[in-house]
Amino acid sequence: EVQLVESGGGLVQPGGSLRLSCAASGFTFSTFWMNWVRQAPGKGLEWVANIKQDGSEKYYVDSVKGRFTVSRDNAKNSLYLQMNGLRAEDTAVYYCAREVLPQDYMDVWGKGTTVTVSS
Amino acid sequence: DIQMTQSPSSLSASVGDRVTITCRASQTISSYLNWYQQKPGKAPKLLIYSASTLQSGVPSRFSGSGSGTDFTLTISSLQPEDFATYYCQLSYSNPQTFGQGTKVEIK
Repeated sequence: EVQLVESGGGLVQPGGSLRLSCAASGFTFSTFWMNWVRQAPGKGLEWVANIKQDGSEKYYVDSVKGRFTVSRDNAKNSLYLQMNGLRAEDTAVYYCAREVLPQDYMDVWGKGTTVTVSS
Repeated sequence: DIQMTQSPSSLSASVGDRVTITCRASQTISSYLNWYQQKPGKAPKLLIYSASTLQSGVPSRFSGSGSGTDFTLTISSLQPEDFATYYCQLSYSNPQTFGQGTKVEIK
């Protein structure tokens, strides 16, 4: 079964750090671009970042540039999001999602992990 | 960056109604437009990709159309399980962008 499972969410103080993980199974992880998408409470979806199959290209939404870093370990079938300098506005459910080329759609999503930034 | 405008933000409809949701891009994006359905507490689900291609397993009452800057998601006959929030997504370039969402509620 094709599956993505996020972990690593929790409560963190403003200015703190957190590392999210996404474990992939049931497909050849190394052949797909991967994405992080978040959803603040009661709000819509916001694309956060993505990373190429070999990690050589990474893109970010402006609001997280310089604070968040996306990475992957193809040997471990895992995607990561290192989040530093967290702000209250980063509070959200974070989803990882697989991207299919060349049409660039996200066909497999995890259930999400919740990040709460609060003092 | 390319901006997406999705409308309406919400609508009320009855079972059996035909429902149309639109997305407009601030510049041409060819057919790099996808549609997702999200139910409360759940992850988004892909419905339509490349503007008009139905994802495997999605009922045929869902359809998508458009190219360039104007796109439409149509539900031909609304079913009880279709009450949810729908998002368009631009995938033409990075940063990718989601529309603001359309909440479809029961009339």
